[in-house]
Amino acid sequence: QVQLVQSGAEVKKPGASVKVSCKASGYTFTIYDINWVRQATGQGLEWMGWMNPNSGSTGYAQKFQGRVTMTRNTSISTAYMELSSLRSEDTAIYYCARGLGMATQDYWGQGTLVTVSS
Amino acid sequence: QSALTQPASVSGSPGQSITISCTGTSSDVGGYNYVSWYQQHPGEAPKLMIYDVTNRPSGVSNRFSGSKSGNTASLTISGLQAGDEGDYYCSSYTSSNTVVFGGGTKVTVL
Repeated sequence: QVQLVQSGAEVKKPGASVKVSCKASGYTFTIYDINWVRQATGQGLEWMGWMNPNSGSTGYAQKFQGRVTMTRNTSISTAYMELSSLRSEDTAIYYCARGLGMATQDYWGQGTLVTVSS
Repeated sequence: QSALTQPASVSGSPGQSITISCTGTSSDVGGYNYVSWYQQHPGEAPKLMIYDVTNRPSGVSNRFSGSKSGNTASLTISGLQAGDEGDYYCSSYTSSNTVVFGGGTKVTVL
């Protein structure tokens, strides 16, 4: 069965960076895009960007351009999302999700809580 | 890219039907048949319910259906059940090759 397992919760200080991992299993990792979506406490879903694990191509939401980097290691079927220059407003649960066609995410990771606090 | 517009809350009695709207622009909802709907229960990851406007993934009840007219997409839940309570989000592909979500709708079963 398809599974996306994310790394554990992180606590970071303002200005630092965080790197969240997402290990895929149950399917061929390079065939489907990986999307990243975040959700602040009590708030809605916010799309951050996508990555093609085969080519490494990426596309980011304008809001995160220059601050986010999505990468992968195909040998271990793992995608990564790094967010830099963290501020308190970045405190949220970060989800990875498998892309299905255009702009659809069919399987989701369990989420990783990132807390930014001094 | 502004978020798609959804009603904050919708409620209905068991067995009734409810419809959640999702309004965008011709650059997203109106321009492409790439609208998806997600259900989220508290403390859980979102679950895909509808994709490409009308398609249901395997395992999703046929009580859930999607449609679109112009710049507005809709999710209809028929035969409302207690387990349908939760937050529902729409999303759409955009002309900028990005994805935009709606603000979310809280569904309450009375």
